[in-house]
Amino acid sequence: KNQVEQSPQSLIILEGKNCTLQCNYTVSPFSNLRWYKQDTGRGPVSLTIMTFSENTKSNGRYTATLDADTKQSSLHITASQLSDSASYICVVSAWGGATNKLIFGTGTLLAVQP
Amino acid sequence: DAGVTQSPTHLIKTRGQHVTLRCSPISGHKSVSWYQQVLGQGPQFIFQYYEKEERGRGNFPDRFSARQFPNYSSELNVNALLLGDSALYLCASSLTGELFFGEGSRLTVL
Repeated sequence: KNQVEQSPQSLIILEGKNCTLQCNYTVSPFSNLRWYKQDTGRGPVSLTIMTFSENTKSNGRYTATLDADTKQSSLHITASQLSDSASYICVVSAWGGATNKLIFGTGTLLAVQP
Repeated sequence: DAGVTQSPTHLIKTRGQHVTLRCSPISGHKSVSWYQQVLGQGPQFIFQYYEKEERGRGNFPDRFSARQFPNYSSELNVNALLLGDSALYLCASSLTGELFFGEGSRLTVL
């Protein structure tokens, strides 16, 4: 069964600190992995997208890693800001013929406190 | 450029009623997909449409239906509403596979 699991479920950090969010998946056949940021009550916004051959991808203070062998990904946030408070969702795409199938994780809720 | 727009942003219905949610994709995007997001959960896939044809359907009952129009906008219809249908309904459009989400329609069923 295709699944995406994220940890921790929620996280509280102080402004300026770094943090790492985890995503483990059992999706086959793997196509790509995406990280989205979702502010409360808003639509998700794409942070990064990585294919099988990519190990690391950065977007400003966000750095995502992918280990396709262990089927793990992480999202590292550097020098956190109050505006980083949001839910971070890992989405894995499986090849599905004409269209890919997206499997969403339940997200990690991050709270950055002053 | 306008992003994905959804309407209405918020609405309240009672059990048994039906609802129609609307989505306008980014100009040039031919694929539209719909997701249901219950509070505290990740989005769940409902439908995908491409060039006005259904390309995928999630595990939702037949009370849920959708269609895509010649201008690539889309409607999601839900009949015989249940309390459990209360959720944020997200629409996403794509051109090359990357999803661009709208702000969602928050449905509350009383």
